[in-house]
Amino acid sequence: DAKTTQPTSMDCAEGRAANLPCNHSTISGNEYVYWYRQIHSQGPQYIIHGLKNNETNEMASLIITEDRKSSTLILPHATLRDTAVYYCIVPNMGGTSYGKLTFGQGTILTVHP
Amino acid sequence: DSGVTQTPKHLITATGQRVTLRCSPRSGDLSVYWYQQSLDQGLQFLIQYYNGEERAKGNILERFSAQQFPDLHSELNLSSLELGDSALYFCASSPPDQYFGPGTRLLVL
Repeated sequence: DAKTTQPTSMDCAEGRAANLPCNHSTISGNEYVYWYRQIHSQGPQYIIHGLKNNETNEMASLIITEDRKSSTLILPHATLRDTAVYYCIVPNMGGTSYGKLTFGQGTILTVHP
Repeated sequence: DSGVTQTPKHLITATGQRVTLRCSPRSGDLSVYWYQQSLDQGLQFLIQYYNGEERAKGNILERFSAQQFPDLHSELNLSSLELGDSALYFCASSPPDQYFGPGTRLLVL
């Protein structure tokens, strides 16, 4: 899996946008960027993924730079329930390890009232 | 609700014992992935099964084994348990945007 680098922690005020960066400078041309989060020992939760274009769903937006070496997950209106560890992952899509996820330390996002 | 179920939710046992963790993937999913999350190691991939066959192995100890049955549920067997095996164990299905179960919290005393 391509290595990713994320800040250890970030803070955000409730109702404001939370912008979580991720560097993945070794990403290959056909590799996707995936974002998951884990809320206090619950099972990780899939958020969004993208290849080249920006993506948006009901949970978040994903902005990928043109060179694909970095991305930003945006939670447009953070709530207290968004406090979690956020993982940026570039999973192995080839061979027999298809879909295996390698989790780093992630970013601890704390949303304050 | 991810659609992935895991039992039991909690398990307390003693060193040297053996336990079995169970996972049922989402309806229609053929793949099961097992992960371990301990305080010092973070989330680590253990093993993957696809339609009954082992597909990939990660950092899984020899004391641990798994299998996937014809009905596609999977069991993770942990034997000769040590204190360090205390962790959360998650299974997931539906690659690549995997859906995780709620986990089994194992405490070895």
